[in-house]
Amino acid sequence: NAGVTQTPKFQVLKTGQSMTLQCAQDMNHEYMSWYRQDPGMGLRLIHYSVGAGITDQGEVPNGYNVSRSTTEDFPLRLLSAAPSQTSVYFCASSYSGTGGEKLFFGSGTQLSVL
Amino acid sequence: GENVEQHPSTLSVQEGDSAVIKCTYSDSASNYFPWYKQELGKGPQLIIDIRSNVGEKKDQRIAVTLNKTAKHFSLHITETQPEDSAVYFCAANSGYALNFGKGTSLLVTP
Repeated sequence: NAGVTQTPKFQVLKTGQSMTLQCAQDMNHEYMSWYRQDPGMGLRLIHYSVGAGITDQGEVPNGYNVSRSTTEDFPLRLLSAAPSQTSVYFCASSYSGTGGEKLFFGSGTQLSVL
Repeated sequence: GENVEQHPSTLSVQEGDSAVIKCTYSDSASNYFPWYKQELGKGPQLIIDIRSNVGEKKDQRIAVTLNKTAKHFSLHITETQPEDSAVYFCAANSGYALNFGKGTSLLVTP
């Protein structure tokens, strides 16, 4: 019973590089979301999905793309990394189709962009 | 969009004392208010939540109160223990999103 699994745990990128942060859940949750956590800023919503094939933007979507081809997976893509994207990224899922209720969080990916 | 403000940003209490963290929200349509605990190096974990049709909810040593008229809600931890030391986040829903406060770092000293 893995819950929400994020990979990798740590990543260092150079400015302009691209990468995909992986997120998978095995709880058959419809709702999935990505947050970034910066010191003193709390958790800010990047993108979310209420089901396979459906995604929408959160508070800070610029520079990030998402897709939801399956219920289990919700990858986050950085097309051209910038130092401002240095952060800890959390994926979360919920059984609730109305969004955000009883979120289960992964353990995070710490990303540094040089 | 929803704006959630949380106070204080840091809180230090002695073991056995009570701790109170307060949050305000701006979206009058918000109807779900969870609290999360984050330990160092881990993801946030839900500890208690409350819906807008309830004024108070309690689970052992933790309780949450909600005042919809004033748009504020609070987390109360009684008989604090060193293992309660962590960062606590409040949140409020807005549409399909869950918006978080900036967090309170709670330190419980023996």
